[in-house]
Amino acid sequence: AQSVTQLDSQVPVFEEAPVELRCNYSSSVSVYLFWYVQYPNQGLQLLLKYLSGSTLVESINGFEAEFNKSQTSFHLRKPSVHISDTAEYFCAVSRDFNKFYFGSGTKLNVKP
Amino acid sequence: DTGVSQDPRHKITKRGQNVTFRCDPISEHNRLYWYRQTLGQGPEFLTYFQNEAQLEKSRLLSDRFSAERPKGSFSTLEIQRTEQGDSAMYLCASSTALSPLHFGNGTRLTVT
Repeated sequence: AQSVTQLDSQVPVFEEAPVELRCNYSSSVSVYLFWYVQYPNQGLQLLLKYLSGSTLVESINGFEAEFNKSQTSFHLRKPSVHISDTAEYFCAVSRDFNKFYFGSGTKLNVKP
Repeated sequence: DTGVSQDPRHKITKRGQNVTFRCDPISEHNRLYWYRQTLGQGPEFLTYFQNEAQLEKSRLLSDRFSAERPKGSFSTLEIQRTEQGDSAMYLCASSTALSPLHFGNGTRLTVT
């Protein structure tokens, strides 16, 4: 089975500062990796995904994540955050698009 | 694409009562998932359907929980004899083969 670890439950950061949200996974087979974002009282929205090819994937709102197979990591980064990025971020993994396993989430709190 | 729809958004019930939630997936999606999310945790897999067939159930899904997808379209999740520990956000998601999950906004259950 796969599992996902998000070590940071909360990350406070000032507006326009860079941020990195960490995600590590464990799996004995190749996996697909995802980041989802959840705003208060809403469901999860897909932010970006790694399926194959380039290990660096980007979202339309400036986030990027890099797949590192040797370190089994898929950290999420943004060079300059906005107040509107305040939300909870979940890393997820799937071996075969049948079952998806989620981390416990990281709350990003962007301060003015 | 009208998105995944869940009803109701909020449900408050007394311990021992039965509750039923409904999920309408994106119309062309043949897969439908139920997840449970408690405070400070990521979504936990409960069960999933491919068309009308329930392919897998988590051990989290006790005998008091039952899910159906009678015609391969909408799905219902019923909890019988609710307990306070059932209080959570119940998330529905849908997908096609080899695609990420698309989530609804969830049903928040409070058992008093």
